[in-house]
Amino acid sequence: AQSVTQLGSHVSVSEGALVLLRCNYSSSVPPYLFWYVQYPNQGLQLLLKYTTGATLVKGINGFEAEFKKSETSFHLTKPSAHMSDAAEYFCAVTPVDSWGKLQFGAGTQVVVTP
Amino acid sequence: GAVVSQHPSRVICKSGTSVKIECRSLDFQATTMFWYRQFPKQSLMLMATSNEGSKATYEQGVEKDKFLINHASLTLSTLTVTSAHPEDSSFYICSARDWRGGLDTQYFGPGTRLTVL
Repeated sequence: AQSVTQLGSHVSVSEGALVLLRCNYSSSVPPYLFWYVQYPNQGLQLLLKYTTGATLVKGINGFEAEFKKSETSFHLTKPSAHMSDAAEYFCAVTPVDSWGKLQFGAGTQVVVTP
Repeated sequence: GAVVSQHPSRVICKSGTSVKIECRSLDFQATTMFWYRQFPKQSLMLMATSNEGSKATYEQGVEKDKFLINHASLTLSTLTVTSAHPEDSSFYICSARDWRGGLDTQYFGPGTRLTVL
């Protein structure tokens, strides 16, 4: 069985500061990894994903994440926060042999302060 | 990106009634759609996989007779909550799998808030 843990249900960051959202997974076989963002009253939007290849993945809106197998982590970062980054962020995994069946972390609400 | 819609966005019903939620892929055909539910302050939980033209496959612990899924066309999947009870109150989210261009991507609908009185 696999699980996804997001550290911190709420994160407050100043505009212009680094955004760091942590995600760790538990799985016997490294899964495919995703980060989604959810703005109020909207569906989840894919920020980025890791399947194979380069472990540093760049996504939309200036976000990137690095897959670290030894640490079973897939932390999301953005060098400089914008007010528009305020949203809820979900880390998700899907087994390699069962693509599409996403298992989500609990989510992290990001608040950006001026 | 592709658009997935859900209807209704909110529904309030009395205990014992049935509620149908629609999930549509608006600009692509989706042979596979997924249904999730999200309780307050909790994560999304996969309920079932909806396959066009065949029976849905349900995750462990999800009652298939209570949550009826129909995927009758390549752009529409429906979830019917039968004999709804207050504990079924939740946020239901669908996603549709898009294979266009050789890329395998899931697009999510905006969700349906179900409140059972």
